[in-house]
Formats: sequence, C-alpha cells, structure tokens
Amino acid sequence: KNQVEQSPQSLIILEGKNCTLQCNYTVSPFSNLRWYKQDTGRGPVSLTIMTFSENTKSNGRYTATLDADTKQSSLHITASQLSDSASYICVVNGNNRLAFGKGNQVVVIP
Amino acid sequence: SQTIHQWPATLVQPVGSPLSLECTVEGTSNPNLYWYRQAAGRGLQLLFYSVGIGQISSEVPQNLSASRPQDRQFILSSKKLLLSDSGFYLCAWGRVTEAFFGQGTRLTVV
Repeated sequence: KNQVEQSPQSLIILEGKNCTLQCNYTVSPFSNLRWYKQDTGRGPVSLTIMTFSENTKSNGRYTATLDADTKQSSLHITASQLSDSASYICVVNGNNRLAFGKGNQVVVIP
Repeated sequence: SQTIHQWPATLVQPVGSPLSLECTVEGTSNPNLYWYRQAAGRGLQLLFYSVGIGQISSEVPQNLSASRPQDRQFILSSKKLLLSDSGFYLCAWGRVTEAFFGQGTRLTVV
C-alpha cells in the first residue's frame, strides 16, 4: 500500500475560485514534505518544501500546510487561474526515502 | 544537475507492438523508483514502484509491466501495446531533500 494518499483524485473549479488539495501520509519517521506542480507533458516543478517544525508555507497563490501530528498536509490555491490546471504531487521524505502520492488533477475552467 | 535519465523522449508505436522504456539513476544507491503515466487530459497515475532490485509493486491492473534488473535501472514494458496505452510516462526517484523526475516519454500508439 502506498504510504502517501492524495484526495480528491481530480477537481474542476471555476477561474478565480479557491481550492484545497489533501495529502495524508503514513511515512515514519518524517523528515519533510514537498508539493510539486506538473503541467501536462512536462516534468514536475517543486512548489514548497516543509519540515517537521513548519505549519504553513506560501509560494505566491499557493499555500501549503502541515500537521505532523495527524500526518496531513494540504495545498491551498487562492484565486485560481487557468494556468493552475495541472497535476499536483505530494512527496514525503522519511528515513532517507521518498514516497510519492498519485497526484491531484486540477482543471480550472473560465 | 541531472541525475535521472529517461528515454526516448517521444515514441510512436503501432498497436500490438512491444514497448520498452528505460530509466536510469545516477548519484545514489538503492533508491525508491516510480513510473507514472498521464493520459491526455488526465492527471498523473502511479503505475509501479520499486523499493529494490526485483521488487515491483503494481498500483493498477493494466497492459504494462515493470522490471528492475539493476539497482539504478527501472524498465517499463509491454508485450503488445493498446491504443489506450498512449500517454506521457514519467520516471521518478528521490533522495533526502528532493524528488527527481525524468523528462518524460510521450508515447503515441497508432
């Protein structure tokens, strides 16, 4: 069983609206968690990295949160734009190994 | 610097033909390795992951198989391609602070 579960699998939102993606993990011990954005047909690009002591980190309109106690992270997209249409991958590092989620697909429509 | 190599970048294959996509990693040993697929208009889908030589876990039933004959080599194969196998295939691995993704292979089955 994969150690990183992401939800929802896919999401359609109207341009300008906000959305939140969820990542739950069972990786232990925990070192850090990254969110990547992958545009169709291109390699993923790192958005944020969070360590055990960090609860929130922002990168422009992207805000990631981390609750290391419940082993949950979320990625919040504010005022979505058409260019936010992509897959978002949660990657968790623990014990010097990385575990990858399956990704959340986001489609922003005008 | 680039530490993961995936080839070919593009591939057009007829239905029923075999497939072999290769991914090799440099600069580490015993990494976790992953194959993802992105079908047209869909999000990333985790196909296989491997925690060691000869150890393959399959996430979804499909027409594809994976093998890990060497520590840093991960191969995606098919004996007979289907039209539905068309898509963008990504190989990935990670180390302590970052996940690395290959540049992807655009496969078109005709």
